[in-house]
Amino acid sequence: SQTIHQWPATLVQPVGSPLSLECTVEGTSNPNLYWYRQAAGRGLQLLFYSVGIGQISSEVPQNLSASRPQDRQFILSSKKLLLSDSGFYLCAWGGQHEKLFFGSGTQLSVL
Amino acid sequence: SQKIEQNSEALNIQEGKTATLTCNYTNYSPAYLQWYRQDPGRGPVFLLLIRENEKEKRKERLKVTFDTTLKQSLFHITASQPADSATYLCAPQRGSYIPTFGRGTSLIVHP
Repeated sequence: SQTIHQWPATLVQPVGSPLSLECTVEGTSNPNLYWYRQAAGRGLQLLFYSVGIGQISSEVPQNLSASRPQDRQFILSSKKLLLSDSGFYLCAWGGQHEKLFFGSGTQLSVL
Repeated sequence: SQKIEQNSEALNIQEGKTATLTCNYTNYSPAYLQWYRQDPGRGPVFLLLIRENEKEKRKERLKVTFDTTLKQSLFHITASQPADSATYLCAPQRGSYIPTFGRGTSLIVHP
């Protein structure tokens, strides 16, 4: 069966520091992969999605970037974090009809 | 883009009663509509998907209806239990596009 791993679970970073969040999927090949952010009391905001290695689509211009160096690996990065980057970051992969299967999330606090 | 409305106020009900959650959308008519459950600090979990040509879908104690005329989906949990307490997200989806999530409605089932 398919599983999705996302780490770390929590992260506290100072403003201006870099960020790297990693997500890996097991049990499926060539999945569509997604990064979402959920701010407190807000809905899920799609940040990036990828349909294949090296293919990244950005939904919202911002301080973040994404990369897909391997088929089942999706990385979210920032060179310099802002306070507004705080939130709950979720990685997901898309099954049939784009049913999404989410990871356990990373709670990022930028101080 | 799609505007999605879910009750922002929490729904409080007694154990054993039927919970009914509402999802209204305003723009394009989605080909599918998905419902997810999210527990605090966790990623959403897929529950049900209903197609535009389906009026109703059931899964155990869950039932989803889809009224394309009213632009509305209703999500029912019968014989509710305290363990059903969570936030429920609806996600209309146009064709093969990525689903768009509502902010969700918090359900609290009291013993």
